Amino acid sequence: GESVGLHLPTLSVQEGDNSIINCAYSNSASDYFIWYKQESGKGPQFIIDIRSNMDKRQGQRVTVLLNKTVKHLSLQIAATQPGDSAVYFCAENAWGAQKLVFGQGTRLTINP
Amino acid sequence: ETGVTQTPRHLVMGMTNKKSLKCEQHLGHNAMYWYKQSAKKPLELMFVYSLEERVENNSVPSRFSPECPNSSHLFLHLHTLQPEDSALYLCASSQRHRGRGEKLFFGSGTQLSVL
Repeated sequence: GESVGLHLPTLSVQEGDNSIINCAYSNSASDYFIWYKQESGKGPQFIIDIRSNMDKRQGQRVTVLLNKTVKHLSLQIAATQPGDSAVYFCAENAWGAQKLVFGQGTRLTINP
Repeated sequence: ETGVTQTPRHLVMGMTNKKSLKCEQHLGHNAMYWYKQSAKKPLELMFVYSLEERVENNSVPSRFSPECPNSSHLFLHLHTLQPEDSALYLCASSQRHRGRGEKLFFGSGTQLSVL
């Protein structure tokens, strides 16, 4: 069945360091992947997405890497800042399903 | 702001009450969604409306009743809820394309407590 999971429920990093948040998925038909950030008291906010015809995509301070061979997705945040503290969710969609399947989330904490 | 507005932000209700959650999107999208977010669980899709027609109902109890009067508005009517229904209820919208995945835009949610 479908499942999307993250490797760690919590991640602590030093301010200024790079953060890497990982996600594994099980559906080999998944062709669209997306990362969301959810701050306390807010709804999930889109960060970056990637389709299966790519293996890397960059945004502002963020990079998403997709390894379809091992069904692994990661989000890299460069020079982590206090404002990056949040829960990060990955989600995937299989062609035709038109339904995002979400993982449980990783809480990112920034140490000063 | 994401362009998706939910009201109220917080709601406390007894098990015998009837209340409604409201969602409005200003993005011109053609699909709207209700999700439930409980502690330590993934986001659960409840209902999907595409072009005002309900296209998905994920075995949600009948005490939750959605309504989509037009492409910009979505309601979730609540009655005789249980304490385990306490959660953050999120509305989202998207521009659906046939077969393709697309990003959702979420509102800030309604934090519901059932006493």
